[in-house]
Amino acid sequence: GAGVSQSPSNKVTEKGKDVELRCDPISGHTALYWYRQSLGQGLEFLIYFQGNSAPDKSGLPSDRFSAERTGGSVSTLTIQRTQQEDSAVYLCASVPGGLYNEQFFGPGTRLTVL
Amino acid sequence: AQTVTQSQPEMSVQEAETVTLSCTYDTSENNYYLFWYKQPPSRQMILVIRQEAYKQQNATENRFSVNFQKAAKSFSLKISDSQLGDTAMYFCAFANSGYALNFGKGTSLLVTP
Repeated sequence: GAGVSQSPSNKVTEKGKDVELRCDPISGHTALYWYRQSLGQGLEFLIYFQGNSAPDKSGLPSDRFSAERTGGSVSTLTIQRTQQEDSAVYLCASVPGGLYNEQFFGPGTRLTVL
Repeated sequence: AQTVTQSQPEMSVQEAETVTLSCTYDTSENNYYLFWYKQPPSRQMILVIRQEAYKQQNATENRFSVNFQKAAKSFSLKISDSQLGDTAMYFCAFANSGYALNFGKGTSLLVTP
């Protein structure tokens, strides 16, 4: 089937605006992750969803960041009152289950905050 | 805290040659997994190879192999017979009892004709 998809591919916004980034995981995958990749850096964990359990939000950098996963499938990452330092590529990954299984990544959303 | 270090920000290799990318990590855990991911310009992260810490045998996937030295906490990736399509960022990643992968900052590999 199809892989992980993310939309939009690119997003340019003005400082102070809110943005929503969408992730469609692979059907049947129970776990979903959001990561942030800043220029020249590795991937920084943001949030983790596993089935119907409460998400692990320990990686969210501030209370301006939030995420939800509806029906155990599609996930939305919301950034409120965007700042220039939020500019990065936001990657989503889904996992078929289990802590050590391969993570299947989407192509990411490049966010630019002017 | 777990850390992953990739000491080579950039590397270059000629087509058909062999190149080794370095990775070291720090953990107090005994059971964990190590990964190498490839990120081409398309941004799509692709799993290259995976190693379970409890396995002594080094993982191999076609032209890709690892040298896993558990005592030294080293996990290097060897690419044999390099191809132009291997040009990409390569990330070493570590997973233990936590949920998320801990990534290094990556090595940019350029394969030249």
